[in-house]
Amino acid sequence: DSGVTQTPKHLITATGQRVTLRCSPRSGDLSVYWYQQSLDQGLQFLIQYYNGEERAKGNILERFSAQQFPDLHSELNLSSLELGDSALYFCASSFTVGARREQFFGPGTRLTVL
Amino acid sequence: EDQVTQSPEALRLQEGESSSLNCSYTVSGLRGLFWYRQDPGKGPEFLFTLYSAGEEKEKERLKATLTKKESFLHITAPKPEDSATYLCAVQAGGGSNYKLTFGKGTLLTVNP
Repeated sequence: DSGVTQTPKHLITATGQRVTLRCSPRSGDLSVYWYQQSLDQGLQFLIQYYNGEERAKGNILERFSAQQFPDLHSELNLSSLELGDSALYFCASSFTVGARREQFFGPGTRLTVL
Repeated sequence: EDQVTQSPEALRLQEGESSSLNCSYTVSGLRGLFWYRQDPGKGPEFLFTLYSAGEEKEKERLKATLTKKESFLHITAPKPEDSATYLCAVQAGGGSNYKLTFGKGTLLTVNP
């Protein structure tokens, strides 16, 4: 158990809908990262937050947005869903100070868009 | 753009048959190279971080090494429970961006 929690574990929805994925980082970790894993693309970085502020963006679609709240939990919002958005979505957290750069991953949310 | 290539894509071993997985990378300013293990449908599990060429880390039957262009994950006398996908990732560049760029992984199967 990495200490990172994600809800829900599974999500089945229809095209055009909007969903919210939730992540709670490990105790003491200030950084949260979101990644998407699909069969053909592998693990792809979406976005990073540090202590409530956006720090870096990767290949995140405009239909996707995220935020990190004062209690450090984070939410990833996916809207106008398409079939191709079906994937595993992982949240990771790290302390991100000095040499302690390891990221610890949650169990993921499996999104199925029908 | 950072690139990570892992080989082979899949590896099948007999229990006790040692081997190595390769991770080659092209980055600008390596901050760290990470190895993760991922079981089907689960999140990646952190194994090792390597920061500079020549560094080595060990954990049970696994040993990770790093050169300026590649990293190896050596598996000594593997057991069936070592079966998983092994992912390599790099962290590079500067500033406050700590994103990981992953390779596509090596699927390891250890037969009893």
